Amino acid sequence: GDSVTQMEGPVTLSEEAFLTINCTYTATGYPSLFWYVQYPGEGLQLLLKATKADDKGSNKGFEATYRKETTSFHLEKGSVQVSDSAVYFCARSTGGGNKLTFGTGTQLKVEL
Amino acid sequence: SQTIHQWPATLVQPVGSPLSLECTVEGTSNPNLYWYRQAAGRGLQLLFYSVGIGQISSEVPQNLSASRPQDRQFILSSKKLLLSDSGFYLCAWSRRQGTYEQYFGPGTRLTVT
Repeated sequence: GDSVTQMEGPVTLSEEAFLTINCTYTATGYPSLFWYVQYPGEGLQLLLKATKADDKGSNKGFEATYRKETTSFHLEKGSVQVSDSAVYFCARSTGGGNKLTFGTGTQLKVEL
Repeated sequence: SQTIHQWPATLVQPVGSPLSLECTVEGTSNPNLYWYRQAAGRGLQLLFYSVGIGQISSEVPQNLSASRPQDRQFILSSKKLLLSDSGFYLCAWSRRQGTYEQYFGPGTRLTVT
């Protein structure tokens, strides 16, 4: 079945460091791809999305490019801040679009 | 704009007691609705989803049930809670058509004692 694989966390970075969180998905159909962020004790917030190959989603300095050839959707940010500390989830559409398949989440900790 | 509400925000219930969690969506019509559970330090588990009033799909056999009595209302219930029902419960909605993104509520933290 459809699945999404994320890198294991936690990822610990110093402020202003470059961030990459890897995400790969199973290549069934033509899924839309998403990154969500979850701050402690809160629900998930949609961070960015891409709906077709080579699309780049971006928001709040975060970017991810839909790579069909490598079935990847890696999240990047050029300079992280302490306020970016959260859990990040990669997801793909599945079940004809009625559902999303989520990765297990990657915790990011940014230190001063 | 659309808003999703969940209540209560936190709940502590004894084993064997009933449960009712409510989710409502404002600002949209005919949404798809979802219930997820997130155990501590773990990922999301889809419990139920609904594409219309009275239409419920169950993803995982369990002690819980869901109902959709109105277009924008989704209820998660249990007759008798188990310790393993503890977790963070999230409601989400999506549009019937489009790019399939889901929008999440603030969640309910349930502790079964």
